[in-house]
Amino acid sequence: KQEVTQIPAALSVPEGENLVLNCSFTDSAIYNLQWFRQDPGKGLTSLLLIQSSQREQTSGRLNASLDKSSGRSTLYIAASQPGDSATYLCAVYNNAGNMLTFGGGTRLMVKP
Amino acid sequence: GAVVSQHPSRVICKSGTSVKIECRSLDFQATTMFWYRQFPKKSLMLMATSNEGSKATYEQGVEKDKFLINHASLTLSTLTVTSAHPEDSSFYICSASHRSGELFFGEGSRLTVL
Repeated sequence: KQEVTQIPAALSVPEGENLVLNCSFTDSAIYNLQWFRQDPGKGLTSLLLIQSSQREQTSGRLNASLDKSSGRSTLYIAASQPGDSATYLCAVYNNAGNMLTFGGGTRLMVKP
Repeated sequence: GAVVSQHPSRVICKSGTSVKIECRSLDFQATTMFWYRQFPKKSLMLMATSNEGSKATYEQGVEKDKFLINHASLTLSTLTVTSAHPEDSSFYICSASHRSGELFFGEGSRLTVL
């Protein structure tokens, strides 16, 4: 059974810092990996999708990498801003494309 | 990106009543939609996978007679919480699978059962 772990569970940083969120998964037979953002009481917003054949994706200040063989992904946020404060979730889609497993999330607080 | 609309965003109901939540993919067709439940400060828990035109596949421990899922068209899936009780109070989120493989999520529906 796929297990997804996110470290750290919570993170507080001053504005302007670059930071890295980590995601690890136990079964490397994945179809893709997706990073999401969730604001309190809200749904999820897709940030980046990495297909299993890709190693990284970039969008603005966000960069996500994928090392499938070692079961790891990182989300890099450059020059963090208070508006980045949210919970960040990673999720992996299994090879059959019919099961999505979420990590526990990292609660990020960026202080002004 | 693609848009998934979920309605209602908030609903309060009395114990024993049934509540229907709709999930619509507005600008793409989704053969597969997923329903999740989220408890406070917890991650999402998959409840069921909904495929258009067929019966939903429920995760272990999820009562299919309690949580009725219908995926009647390629753009609409509904979740009906039947005979709701206070322990059913939760945040329910749907997602739709785009042909690219990316999942798009609705805004979620907060259910409060009195």
